[in-house]
Parts: sequence; C-alpha cells; structure tokens
Amino acid sequence: QQQVKQSPQSLIVQKGGISIINCAYENTAFDYFPWYQQFPGKGPALLIAIRPDVSEKKEGRFTISFNKSAKQFSLHIMDSQPGDSATYFCAASIGSGTYKYIFGTGTRLKVLA
Amino acid sequence: NAGVTQTPKFRVLKTGQSMTLLCAQDMNHEYMYWYRQDPGMGLRLIHYSVGEGTTAKGEVPDGYNVSRLKKQNFLLGLESAAPSQTSVYFCASSSLRTGNYGYTFGSGTRLTVV
Repeated sequence: QQQVKQSPQSLIVQKGGISIINCAYENTAFDYFPWYQQFPGKGPALLIAIRPDVSEKKEGRFTISFNKSAKQFSLHIMDSQPGDSATYFCAASIGSGTYKYIFGTGTRLKVLA
Repeated sequence: NAGVTQTPKFRVLKTGQSMTLLCAQDMNHEYMYWYRQDPGMGLRLIHYSVGEGTTAKGEVPDGYNVSRLKKQNFLLGLESAAPSQTSVYFCASSSLRTGNYGYTFGSGTRLTVV
C-alpha cells in the first residue's frame, strides 16, 4: 500500500511532442505529490508538485494532472525539447510532519532533436 | 551556492570495510534524509532525521547507521560493507518553514563494494 507505481520505464519523444508519464498509488493518506527531474550524475531536483485538492497544476511547459478517485497522477511535458532528456521520478508523501517520500521507479525520457 | 554537499563523490570499498558518508546543508533545514538509488528501483529511504539529535529508520535501514549531532550535518555509516550496498547514495534536506515541502538533494556518492 506504500508503493507508487510509475510507467513507462522509458520514453522516446520527438522534439515538439508531448511527453506523458503516469503514476498510481494505493494509500489514500498520501497528500503531496511532487515530480523530480534528474540529469546524469546529478541529484534529483524538484520540478513541480500538487496537492489532492486540485486536479491540475501547470508551470510553464510542465503540467501535473491529478485524478483522486482513480488514485493516479501524471506529468505532461508540452513541446518537449532535447534539454528535457532526463530521468523523471514521481513521489508521494504523507504530511505527518516528516514528509518522507515514496518514490516511483523512474522514467528515462529521451527527446530526439 | 547554498545547498546540500555530499562527500566523498566516489568510493570503492572492500567487503567488510567501514566508512562514513558526510552530508552538509547550509539552508538551516530541519529535516534531512538519506536515500539510495538503484537501477529500476527508484530512490529508497534509508534513515531520516527531523531535527538535531534525532534519527529514525526508513524503508531499508539494515546495515546502516546515522547520526545528526549538528543541525547542518547528517552522517551515514556503513559498519561492515557488503556488495549489496553498492549503490548511489543521496542526501536530501527539507523545511516546513518555506511552505515548499520539496527536497533539496545533494549530487550523490557513488559507492562500489567489491
């Protein structure tokens, strides 16, 4: 029940296309859902995050869509660029005061020029 | 630049050796975490700390110990390294004061146990 399942494992998209990465969770106590971006040799960096009281959040070309009833959330990267090529992790946490994250297994995105 | 600094960046250990990974943050964050990253498994929480002098176990704590004697430092120790501990280790910190519950990660320590 503590798992966060992420798909696909890898994704190849043409420049200018839309990249979509999906995550699903079981624990309804999760109340914070961030996405992290990681470039090779670097630590993950917070990209965008959402709380379950909203269905969508947009920041620039990045959008999180959240479906509370289905217990799913997804990251959409519009107008994907080669510089977006990275590994993306979804995560979920319970606001119990510690904000421990459960991470998905990651999606390696490659955007072709 | 402010952030999370991890040392060392790379290390090769022989089975049975011990070592300590150091994490330092200069953002006055209350919370600190140690994760390990393995191919196909994402990031898994080893230990975490909610404040100076406090530590707690995460998802995969066996074989590791931690200490947080100072607010800015979080140490991860391997008493007797095993090949199964070959991984990339990330330290992270966070603070509720910012209203942003995201983590700031270090750049990682790549550990190989032979």
